[in-house]
Order: sequence, then structure tokens, then C-alpha cells
Amino acid sequence: AQKVTQAQTEISVVEKEDVTLDCVYETRDTTYYLFWYKQPPSGELVFLIRRNSFDEQNEISGRYSWNFQKSTSSFNFTITASQVVDSAVYFCALTNNNAGNMLTFGGGTRLMVKP
Amino acid sequence: DTGVSQDPRHKITKRGQNVTFRCDPISEHNRLYWYRQTLGQGPEFLTYFQNEAQLEKSRLLSDRFSAERPKGSFSTLEIQRTEQGDSAMYLCASSPPNLKGYGYTFGSGTRLTVV
Repeated sequence: AQKVTQAQTEISVVEKEDVTLDCVYETRDTTYYLFWYKQPPSGELVFLIRRNSFDEQNEISGRYSWNFQKSTSSFNFTITASQVVDSAVYFCALTNNNAGNMLTFGGGTRLMVKP
Repeated sequence: DTGVSQDPRHKITKRGQNVTFRCDPISEHNRLYWYRQTLGQGPEFLTYFQNEAQLEKSRLLSDRFSAERPKGSFSTLEIQRTEQGDSAMYLCASSPPNLKGYGYTFGSGTRLTVV
């Protein structure tokens, strides 16, 4: 069975602060894929990043960066110099290499960035 | 292609009524997924189609729920004899044939309220 845990249900920061969203996952598969999605108030899930289990290289995209550590089964997401537009619910998700590739989502972290 | 479209965006229905939602995936995507998201939770997998074949159903999909994808293009999700517990956001997603961990494209969802 797969499981994704996002222990932080809600985080509030002031604009320009850095913030890290934690994600811990459980899977018995050796091949799997991890994702982060952003869900703004409009409701649509917006794809942010995909990482496969064989690639532990950290990634940076503008103000976003991701830290994948297999040793601790974590895939954390950092927003540098947060902005009000970053306010949303962020979901970490996991899928294995089975035929269906269904996603298992964490419970989400609501990020509120105050001006 | 404008992405994954879902209709309607919102639906309010009385308990006991039947409702049907529609999803139009990205045209070249042969995989289509339905997820349900209750308030404050992450999306949960309901069912998955590859072309017109329904290949996987979650135990969350009770016998009051039925999904179809008759020609391998659009899909419908019907809920019969709705209950208040069915109130949720119903999300549709599609993915290309060779998924291998690519991110899905999600629609904006249909928010169902059962009164």
C-alpha cells in the first residue's frame, strides 16, 4: 500500500519569507514517481513537478525548489521569497509503475502568504 | 486543445436525486481518471479508463456510482440516489498513453452539494 503524509495542515507566512512544505511517503515499490500540485481557490490542480525514484537530484525552478531524499522518504518543497499569489493548497502525490498509475495524494498543506 | 473540461462546474441536488457529470479529456490522452475530493482532504482515486475500458475501480465507488467512456473520448460519472455524504468536488484527469510518471492534467472539477 502507498501512503503520503503532509503533516503541516496549514502554514501562514509573511510575504518575502521562505517556506518549506514537508512530504513523507511510503511505498514498497522500487520504481515510483512523486509529484507536487498546487490548488488555488479556483479548484484546478496545477502540476508543479514530477520526480522519479531513480533521480535524487534536487531541482530549482525560479523561486521553487524541491529536495528529494530517499533515505528519509521525503520530498520537500521550498518557496523562496514567498508572494501573496503563492497562497493555495499544495498537494504531494505518489504513483508507482503499475499499469494504472493512479495517484495517491497527501492531505494537503494550506499556505497563506500575508502581505 | 484547451485542457480537460468538466461540466457542470457546480451542481446542487436534493438527496435521492440522480446526477451526471461529464469530462472531456485532452484529445490525444487515452487514459482518463476520476477522483473525489472532500473538504480539507486530498483527492481520492475513484476509477480509471484506458480508452473505453474501465480497468480499475476503487472500493470508494459504491454501486450507486457508475462511470462510462463509451467511445474512448469523453466520460460520464453518474451518482444514483445521492446522499449528503456524496457532497464533494469530483475531479477528472487525463494522461497520455506512455504515462511513465508524467503528470496528469486535471480539470477544474464539478462541485456537488447534496441538500
